[in-house]
Amino acid sequence: EPEVTQTPSHQVTQMGQEVILRCVPISNHLYFYWYRQILGQKVEFLVSFYNNEISEKSEIFDDQFSVERPDGSNFTLKIRSTKLEDSAMYFCASSDGQANTGELFFGEGSRLTVL
Amino acid sequence: RKEVEQDPGPFNVPEGATVAFNCTYSNSASQSFFWYRQDCRKEPKLLMSVYSSGNEDGRFTAQLNRASQYISLLIRDSKLSDSATYLCVVNRGYGGSQGNLIFGKGTKLSVKP
Repeated sequence: EPEVTQTPSHQVTQMGQEVILRCVPISNHLYFYWYRQILGQKVEFLVSFYNNEISEKSEIFDDQFSVERPDGSNFTLKIRSTKLEDSAMYFCASSDGQANTGELFFGEGSRLTVL
Repeated sequence: RKEVEQDPGPFNVPEGATVAFNCTYSNSASQSFFWYRQDCRKEPKLLMSVYSSGNEDGRFTAQLNRASQYISLLIRDSKLSDSATYLCVVNRGYGGSQGNLIFGKGTKLSVKP
């Protein structure tokens, strides 16, 4: 069964450092997303990406965040200068864009710990 | 009012029990409704979409009441493997991308032998 893969599974970084989280979406999917989940909290939308550009972003997705699809397979989330409150599980997701199916396929997540 | 509100539980039930989860949402513009399941420290996975007419998938039945902005999930004959957190999810609507989903905090279910 096709799946979304994410690396690294866990990253520990110092406050102020840059972090890049990587994702390989399902190959025939056209829509890509990043969500995050702070421990014990709800899953929160960060950004959606379609046709090589951001289609929507949340208030959380401020100037320290950026996304990129550098080649035909990878989809990355960069956090430029990490803060303690960026510690969370970051989920990449993809979908084929079928209207109203709402089925996002999530990767297993990258746990980010900022010290 | 929270965007998506759920009873956090936990619901502790014996195998074979019937259990019901409820959810309310605040955004009347939401057009799509779902139940996702999340196992401990794992990614969310779609359990089922929820339609106005109500829909059933095996032991799972979902209902939507748009007027009350209320969504429910019924699990019959619960199994040990049903133990998880059940997430009520709606889309943001008003032109938001279809993948811009609003998650509830989830209701934890624990099924005991």
